[in-house]
Amino acid sequence: GAVVSQHPSWVICKSGTSVKIECRSLDFQATTMFWYRQFPKQSLMLMATSNEGSKATYEQGVEKDKFLINHASLTLSTLTVTSAHPEDSSFYICSARVRDLTSRYEQYFGPGTRLTVT
Amino acid sequence: LAKTTQPISMDSYEGQEVNITCSHNNIATNDYITWYQQFPSQGPRFIIQGYKTKVTNEVASLFIPADRKSSTLSLPRVSLSDTAVYYCLVGDHYGQNFVFGPGTRLSVLP
Repeated sequence: GAVVSQHPSWVICKSGTSVKIECRSLDFQATTMFWYRQFPKQSLMLMATSNEGSKATYEQGVEKDKFLINHASLTLSTLTVTSAHPEDSSFYICSARVRDLTSRYEQYFGPGTRLTVT
Repeated sequence: LAKTTQPISMDSYEGQEVNITCSHNNIATNDYITWYQQFPSQGPRFIIQGYKTKVTNEVASLFIPADRKSSTLSLPRVSLSDTAVYYCLVGDHYGQNFVFGPGTRLSVLP
């Protein structure tokens, strides 16, 4: 099946610094990727939809200037958390949309990145 | 967006069959039903997807009644390693509008 990787798997940073998280589709091309955030014991919350070659579409309540998304190629999307604060500490998960042989779309998820801001 | 409702938690014992039901009363004509499994600190893993009637793969079965307002994920003979959170999602043909509900936390006991 389609494989999605994320790097790093975990990161610790100091408050006020920026952190970049990479999401890669390893064996397929993805024109659309999604970024989710998940707090402990809670469900996944969609943050934004990333389309290759165009600006990301952010969900209501998600600050686009704080969570910068770049989808410069068909296999890579990046999420940069700018001026991180402790409340940004969370589990960030990306997914890539794949079109199957029946022209139906499926989502494959990455393993997630644990961000801790101190 | 079609909203889903699932039990918050379920307990089962090893070797038993587990059925998790999801309600999606306002499912649209173009919507598919997809189930994911998530272990702690991991991304969700695709289990099964269906549109109507019954779908079966090597790990689960999905039962969808004619009105499609609910669906049931069936896990045959669960083991301890099936302890996880299970999410039911309803989304359209283009994979848009995938909204995660709170999921069902399944605990399999020895």
